[in-house]
Amino acid sequence: GAGVSQSPSNKVTEKGKDVELRCDPISGHTALYWYRQSLGQGLEFLIYFQGNSAPDKSGLPSDRFSAERTGGSVSTLTIQRTQQEDSAVYLCASSPGDTATYEQYFGPGTRLTVT
Amino acid sequence: SQQGEEDPQALSIQEGENATMNCSYKTSINNLQWYRQNSGRGLVHLILIRSNEREKHSGRLRVTLDTSKKSSSLLITASRAADTASYFCAPAGWAGNMLTFGGGTRLMVKP
Repeated sequence: GAGVSQSPSNKVTEKGKDVELRCDPISGHTALYWYRQSLGQGLEFLIYFQGNSAPDKSGLPSDRFSAERTGGSVSTLTIQRTQQEDSAVYLCASSPGDTATYEQYFGPGTRLTVT
Repeated sequence: SQQGEEDPQALSIQEGENATMNCSYKTSINNLQWYRQNSGRGLVHLILIRSNEREKHSGRLRVTLDTSKKSSSLLITASRAADTASYFCAPAGWAGNMLTFGGGTRLMVKP
């Protein structure tokens, strides 16, 4: 079946502009995660959605970052007034349930470059 | 939250040799997961080992878990050039649902 998809695959934007990154999780997966990865680094957790529960936003680095998940499926990560330090690969993952039981399935990522 | 710390940071071996990567963590876990990442893109899940398991195999992969030492190891036997990637461990706690990844081990397998 189809895996997690993300769009765009690459995004170049000017400092100060807003960007939207999209994630389509695997159908039926209730959990959805956003991470970001700076060059040569590990993954930094950003936000987690599980079903209809309030999202866990504890990893968002600033109020310029927000995310929503419509209808329990597609998610959009929005970065307002982008800064150069926002440049990274943004990875989305989905899971059939929580990490106590299930592994996560990752998308290919969106490479964001802020000039 | 949990965070795994992988060791070594980088490993270079010849094709056919075995590769061992280690992971340490700090608090109680429910399970520990290993992932592989090629070319800085999406991660692929390799194996999940639960806290009540000590060893698990999947093909050429062997994972061990020692909860008393809060450590895990990933062994890749008979390595291939295609195994060249970064490998991350992700301990999963009993509460909370995100995985926290360390910096990974960058494995290079030379043909």
